[in-house]
Amino acid sequence: GAGVSQTPSNKVTEKGKYVELRCDPISGHTALYWYRQSLGQGPEFLIYFQGTGAADDSGLPNDRFFAVRPEGSVSTLKIQRTERGDSAVYLCASSLTNTDTQYFGPGTRLTVL
Amino acid sequence: KQEVTQIPAALSVPEGENLVLNCSFTDSAIYNLQWFRQDPGKGLTSLLLIQSSQREQTSGRLNASLDKSSGRSTLYIAASQPGDSATYLCAVNNQAGTALIFGKGTTLSVSS
Repeated sequence: GAGVSQTPSNKVTEKGKYVELRCDPISGHTALYWYRQSLGQGPEFLIYFQGTGAADDSGLPNDRFFAVRPEGSVSTLKIQRTERGDSAVYLCASSLTNTDTQYFGPGTRLTVL
Repeated sequence: KQEVTQIPAALSVPEGENLVLNCSFTDSAIYNLQWFRQDPGKGLTSLLLIQSSQREQTSGRLNASLDKSSGRSTLYIAASQPGDSATYLCAVNNQAGTALIFGKGTTLSVSS
């Protein structure tokens, strides 16, 4: 079956702009996660959704970052007033429940100029 | 705050060798532990998941162990192949089961 998909695969933007990153989880997976990965580092947790609600958003670095999952399937990560330090690969993962194996998408590489 | 450390950071071995990758974590209150593989420029592929109540899991040439009380896990790869070359990441699921905390990974290179 289809895995986790993320669009776009690459996004280049200018400092101060707004960006949206999209994640399509595996069908039927109730748990959805966003992580970001910088070069040479492991992924860093951002936010976890159980269904439509953000059950844990403790990893969001500041209030410029926001994520939604309005129908309990597709999720969008939104970043306002982007900064050069936001440049990273943003990974999305989904799992059947929050204690099952997490399956990752290919990521969106965000570059802020 | 949970911290995950992976040793070594990089490893080069000849084809056919058996090898062990190490992972340690500071807080033993975990829900489970997962090992992932990441190829350059790609997403993560799950290899094994060990629940906190389990001691080990096996899949093909891979065997992962977990000693929760001492905060350690190992990934054993038998009869390594060039196709095993990748970065291997260890991650612990926090006690609430809401987030994976990752190590920085071990980059493995297997030469033919």
